[in-house]
Amino acid sequence: DTEVTQTPKHLVMGMTNKKSLKCEQHMGHRAMYWYKQKAKKPPELMFVYSYEKLSINESVPSRFSPECPNSSLLNLHLHALQPEDSALYLCASSLWESGEQFFGPGTRLTVL
Amino acid sequence: KNQVEQSPQSLIILEGKNCTLQCNYTVSPFSNLRWYKQDTGRGPVSLTIMTFSENTKSNGRYTATLDADTKQSSLHITASQLSDSASYICVALSGSGYALNFGKGTSLLVTP
Repeated sequence: DTEVTQTPKHLVMGMTNKKSLKCEQHMGHRAMYWYKQKAKKPPELMFVYSYEKLSINESVPSRFSPECPNSSLLNLHLHALQPEDSALYLCASSLWESGEQFFGPGTRLTVL
Repeated sequence: KNQVEQSPQSLIILEGKNCTLQCNYTVSPFSNLRWYKQDTGRGPVSLTIMTFSENTKSNGRYTATLDADTKQSSLHITASQLSDSASYICVALSGSGYALNFGKGTSLLVTP
Protein backbone atom coordinates (compact mmCIF):
# COMPACT_ATOMS: atom_id res chain seq x y z
CA ASP A 1 0.00 0.00 0.00
CA THR A 2 1.64 3.21 -1.16
CA GLU A 3 -0.91 5.85 -0.38
CA VAL A 4 -2.25 8.06 2.37
CA THR A 5 -6.00 7.78 2.88
CA GLN A 6 -8.24 10.33 4.55
CA THR A 7 -11.83 10.11 5.71
CA PRO A 8 -14.30 11.58 5.33
CA LYS A 9 -13.87 13.28 1.94
CA HIS A 10 -16.34 15.99 2.86
CA LEU A 11 -17.61 17.16 6.24
CA VAL A 12 -20.17 19.80 7.13
CA MET A 13 -20.49 20.69 10.79
CA GLY A 14 -22.02 23.31 13.01
CA MET A 15 -20.04 25.43 15.40
CA THR A 16 -21.19 23.37 18.39
CA ASN A 17 -20.46 19.98 16.88
CA LYS A 18 -17.61 17.62 17.70
CA LYS A 19 -16.17 15.69 14.77
CA SER A 20 -12.96 13.91 13.84
CA LEU A 21 -10.86 13.60 10.71
CA LYS A 22 -8.95 10.41 10.10
CA CYS A 23 -5.73 9.73 8.23
CA GLU A 24 -4.11 6.37 7.62
CA GLN A 25 -0.95 5.10 5.93
CA HIS A 26 0.63 1.67 5.74
CA MET A 27 3.97 2.61 4.23
CA GLY A 28 5.86 2.31 7.51
CA HIS A 29 6.31 6.07 7.68
CA ARG A 30 7.16 7.38 11.12
CA ALA A 31 6.32 11.05 10.60
CA MET A 32 2.80 12.30 9.97
CA TYR A 33 1.49 15.80 9.37
CA TRP A 34 -1.70 17.85 9.37
CA TYR A 35 -2.00 20.83 7.02
CA LYS A 36 -4.77 23.35 6.47
CA GLN A 37 -5.26 24.77 3.00
CA LYS A 38 -7.54 27.66 2.07
CA ALA A 39 -8.61 28.21 -1.53
CA LYS A 40 -5.83 29.41 -3.83
CA LYS A 41 -3.32 29.37 -0.97
CA PRO A 42 -0.47 26.97 -0.21
CA PRO A 43 -0.90 24.42 2.60
CA GLU A 44 -0.13 25.65 6.11
CA LEU A 45 1.48 23.24 8.54
CA MET A 46 -0.53 22.58 11.71
CA PHE A 47 1.01 19.58 13.48
CA VAL A 48 3.85 17.12 13.08
CA TYR A 49 4.01 13.72 14.75
CA SER A 50 7.26 11.84 14.84
CA TYR A 51 7.31 8.27 16.14
CA GLU A 52 3.77 8.78 17.47
CA LYS A 53 4.76 11.78 19.57
CA LEU A 54 3.71 15.35 18.88
CA SER A 55 6.81 17.03 17.54
CA ILE A 56 5.50 20.34 16.26
CA ASN A 57 2.39 22.40 17.03
CA GLU A 58 2.38 25.52 14.88
CA SER A 59 0.42 27.58 17.42
CA VAL A 60 -2.84 25.97 16.38
CA PRO A 61 -5.97 26.92 18.41
CA SER A 62 -7.02 24.33 20.98
CA ARG A 63 -10.28 23.69 19.14
CA PHE A 64 -8.09 21.47 16.94
CA SER A 65 -6.76 18.46 18.84
CA PRO A 66 -4.48 15.93 17.11
CA GLU A 67 -4.07 12.33 18.17
CA CYS A 68 -1.75 9.59 16.95
CA PRO A 69 -3.04 6.26 18.32
CA ASN A 70 -0.41 4.23 16.45
CA SER A 71 2.22 4.59 13.77
CA SER A 72 -0.31 4.17 10.94
CA LEU A 73 -3.11 6.37 12.14
CA LEU A 74 -3.50 10.09 12.73
CA ASN A 75 -6.67 11.80 13.88
CA LEU A 76 -7.69 15.44 14.12
CA HIS A 77 -10.47 16.10 16.61
CA LEU A 78 -12.56 19.18 15.98
CA HIS A 79 -14.67 21.05 18.54
CA ALA A 80 -16.34 24.44 18.57
CA LEU A 81 -14.94 25.44 15.20
CA GLN A 82 -15.53 28.77 13.53
CA PRO A 83 -16.70 29.39 9.94
CA GLU A 84 -13.21 30.64 9.08
CA ASP A 85 -11.90 27.14 9.84
CA SER A 86 -13.58 25.93 6.66
CA ALA A 87 -10.79 24.63 4.43
CA LEU A 88 -9.20 21.57 2.88
CA TYR A 89 -7.41 19.59 5.58
CA LEU A 90 -4.50 17.58 4.26
CA CYS A 91 -2.67 14.75 5.94
CA ALA A 92 0.82 13.76 4.86
CA SER A 93 3.39 11.20 5.92
CA SER A 94 7.09 10.66 5.40
CA LEU A 95 9.59 8.00 6.29
CA TRP A 96 11.23 10.42 8.70
CA GLU A 97 10.74 14.11 9.49
CA SER A 98 12.85 15.48 6.65
CA GLY A 99 11.87 12.85 4.15
CA GLU A 100 9.66 13.16 1.10
CA GLN A 101 6.09 13.83 2.16
CA PHE A 102 3.22 11.95 0.60
CA PHE A 103 -0.11 13.73 0.81
CA GLY A 104 -3.56 12.31 1.20
CA PRO A 105 -6.51 13.51 -0.91
CA GLY A 106 -7.75 15.80 1.85
CA THR A 107 -11.00 16.37 3.73
CA ARG A 108 -13.07 19.33 2.60
CA LEU A 109 -14.46 20.84 5.82
CA THR A 110 -17.29 23.35 5.92
CA VAL A 111 -18.25 24.97 9.23
CA LEU A 112 -21.68 26.56 9.30
CA LYS B 1 13.12 34.73 6.16
CA ASN B 2 12.59 31.68 3.96
CA GLN B 3 10.64 32.51 0.83
CA VAL B 4 9.55 30.78 -2.33
CA GLU B 5 8.28 32.87 -5.24
CA GLN B 6 6.60 31.37 -8.31
CA SER B 7 5.77 32.81 -11.69
CA PRO B 8 3.59 33.18 -13.53
CA GLN B 9 0.66 33.14 -11.14
CA SER B 10 -1.51 31.60 -13.84
CA LEU B 11 -1.02 30.34 -17.36
CA ILE B 12 -3.28 29.22 -20.20
CA ILE B 13 -1.86 27.13 -23.04
CA LEU B 14 -3.19 25.07 -25.91
CA GLU B 15 -3.15 21.32 -25.71
CA GLY B 16 0.06 19.93 -27.17
CA LYS B 17 2.13 23.01 -26.44
CA ASN B 18 5.07 23.19 -24.05
CA CYS B 19 5.38 25.51 -21.08
CA THR B 20 7.86 26.44 -18.37
CA LEU B 21 7.06 27.45 -14.81
CA GLN B 22 9.53 29.37 -12.67
CA CYS B 23 10.47 29.24 -9.00
CA ASN B 24 12.89 31.45 -7.05
CA TYR B 25 13.72 30.54 -3.50
CA THR B 26 15.59 31.97 -0.57
CA VAL B 27 15.85 29.12 1.91
CA SER B 28 18.74 28.63 4.23
CA PRO B 29 20.19 26.20 4.77
CA PHE B 30 18.91 24.64 1.58
CA SER B 31 18.20 20.91 1.55
CA ASN B 32 16.13 20.10 -1.50
CA LEU B 33 13.53 21.46 -3.88
CA ARG B 34 10.31 19.74 -4.84
CA TRP B 35 7.66 20.28 -7.42
CA TYR B 36 4.13 19.13 -6.68
CA LYS B 37 1.03 18.96 -8.86
CA GLN B 38 -2.26 19.65 -7.11
CA ASP B 39 -5.62 19.10 -8.74
CA THR B 40 -8.44 21.26 -7.40
CA GLY B 41 -9.71 19.92 -4.09
CA ARG B 42 -7.10 17.16 -3.97
CA GLY B 43 -3.83 16.62 -2.15
CA PRO B 44 -0.51 17.56 -3.78
CA VAL B 45 1.30 14.83 -5.70
CA SER B 46 5.08 14.87 -5.90
CA LEU B 47 6.59 15.29 -9.38
CA THR B 48 10.31 15.73 -8.68
CA ILE B 49 12.74 16.17 -5.81
CA MET B 50 16.20 17.66 -6.36
CA THR B 51 19.07 18.25 -3.98
CA PHE B 52 21.58 21.07 -4.47
CA SER B 53 23.89 18.76 -6.44
CA GLU B 54 21.27 17.89 -9.05
CA ASN B 55 20.74 20.12 -12.08
CA THR B 56 17.89 18.35 -13.77
CA LYS B 57 15.39 15.61 -13.13
CA SER B 58 12.66 14.21 -15.32
CA ASN B 59 9.38 12.47 -14.62
CA GLY B 60 7.72 11.59 -17.90
CA ARG B 61 6.74 14.83 -19.64
CA TYR B 62 7.85 16.87 -16.64
CA THR B 63 11.45 18.09 -16.42
CA ALA B 64 12.67 20.15 -13.49
CA THR B 65 15.91 22.11 -13.41
CA LEU B 66 17.74 23.56 -10.46
CA ASP B 67 20.42 26.24 -10.30
CA ALA B 68 21.61 26.29 -6.70
CA ASP B 69 23.87 29.28 -7.36
CA THR B 70 21.07 31.57 -8.51
CA LYS B 71 18.49 29.79 -6.34
CA GLN B 72 16.18 29.22 -9.26
CA SER B 73 14.23 26.23 -10.47
CA SER B 74 11.99 25.62 -13.41
CA LEU B 75 9.44 22.98 -14.35
CA HIS B 76 9.08 22.30 -18.05
CA ILE B 77 5.99 20.48 -19.31
CA THR B 78 6.26 18.94 -22.75
CA ALA B 79 3.36 18.23 -25.10
CA SER B 80 0.75 19.37 -22.60
CA GLN B 81 -2.45 17.41 -22.07
CA LEU B 82 -5.82 18.49 -20.74
CA SER B 83 -5.09 16.51 -17.57
CA ASP B 84 -2.12 18.76 -16.88
CA SER B 85 -4.57 21.48 -15.82
CA ALA B 86 -3.77 21.93 -12.13
CA SER B 87 -1.82 24.03 -9.68
CA TYR B 88 1.94 23.44 -9.68
CA ILE B 89 3.61 24.15 -6.38
CA CYS B 90 7.30 24.67 -5.78
CA VAL B 91 8.46 23.65 -2.31
CA ALA B 92 11.89 24.27 -0.81
CA LEU B 93 13.01 22.30 2.19
CA SER B 94 15.47 23.81 4.59
CA GLY B 95 18.17 21.73 6.15
CA SER B 96 16.64 22.05 9.58
CA GLY B 97 14.21 19.20 9.10
CA TYR B 98 10.50 18.97 8.44
CA ALA B 99 9.68 22.52 7.40
CA LEU B 100 8.37 22.77 3.85
CA ASN B 101 8.43 26.28 2.40
CA PHE B 102 5.62 26.42 -0.13
CA GLY B 103 5.30 28.76 -3.07
CA LYS B 104 1.84 30.07 -3.89
CA GLY B 105 1.68 27.92 -6.99
CA THR B 106 1.13 28.45 -10.69
CA SER B 107 -2.36 27.68 -11.91
CA LEU B 108 -2.12 26.02 -15.32
CA LEU B 109 -5.07 25.62 -17.67
CA VAL B 110 -4.65 23.52 -20.79
CA THR B 111 -7.36 24.15 -23.36
CA PRO B 112 -8.39 22.07 -26.39
